[in-house]
Amino acid sequence: TQLLEQSPQFLSIQEGENLTVYCNSSSVFSSLQWYRQEPGEGPVLLVTVVTGGEVKKLKRLTFQFGDARKDSSLHITAAQPGDTGLYLCAGPTSGTYKYIFGTGTRLKVLA
Amino acid sequence: DTEVTQTPKHLVMGMTNKKSLKCEQHMGHRAMYWYKQKAKKPPELMFVYSYEKLSINESVPSRFSPECPNSSLLNLHLHALQPEDSALYLCASSQGLAGAGTQYFGPGTRLLVL
Repeated sequence: TQLLEQSPQFLSIQEGENLTVYCNSSSVFSSLQWYRQEPGEGPVLLVTVVTGGEVKKLKRLTFQFGDARKDSSLHITAAQPGDTGLYLCAGPTSGTYKYIFGTGTRLKVLA
Repeated sequence: DTEVTQTPKHLVMGMTNKKSLKCEQHMGHRAMYWYKQKAKKPPELMFVYSYEKLSINESVPSRFSPECPNSSLLNLHLHALQPEDSALYLCASSQGLAGAGTQYFGPGTRLLVL
């Protein structure tokens, strides 16, 4: 069974601090997606990583896909209150229409 | 355009009511999904339609009835719901099999069952 474990589960930091969120699995994924979700809203896609070792940047957010395609990380530089939300990683299951979701990381950035 | 739209945004219904949730995408995606999400939890898959046919039903109670009228539209018909069915209902779409591309979500419908 494919599982995605995220850590930490909850993070509360001050504005301007840096942070890293991890998404780990014992299974290989062909790609991983990262979403950010605000309360009562749908998940918004941040990035898809496909190639092992790939690094993608989205303004202050840096995403990395592990060389073995079993893990990914999200690093936020100089966090802002607007970064507050639930961060979810997700990956496709092979040969099906199902996506596996990570356990989620709730981030709160205090002004 | 990577937009999935959902209506209504909010819905309050009694346990004897019948209502429908609607979802639409114009990305040419052939797989469409319904998820249920409780607060602070990841989305839980309910149904998947691929090429307008029901591919996956995750043992969802029959008070939830999905419908895919065409390749762009997905409905979820609700009847005789229970208070524990109150949740955020998310629609999503993808190109095809999960490994073929990214899944895009709509803004969700917040459902409250009284």
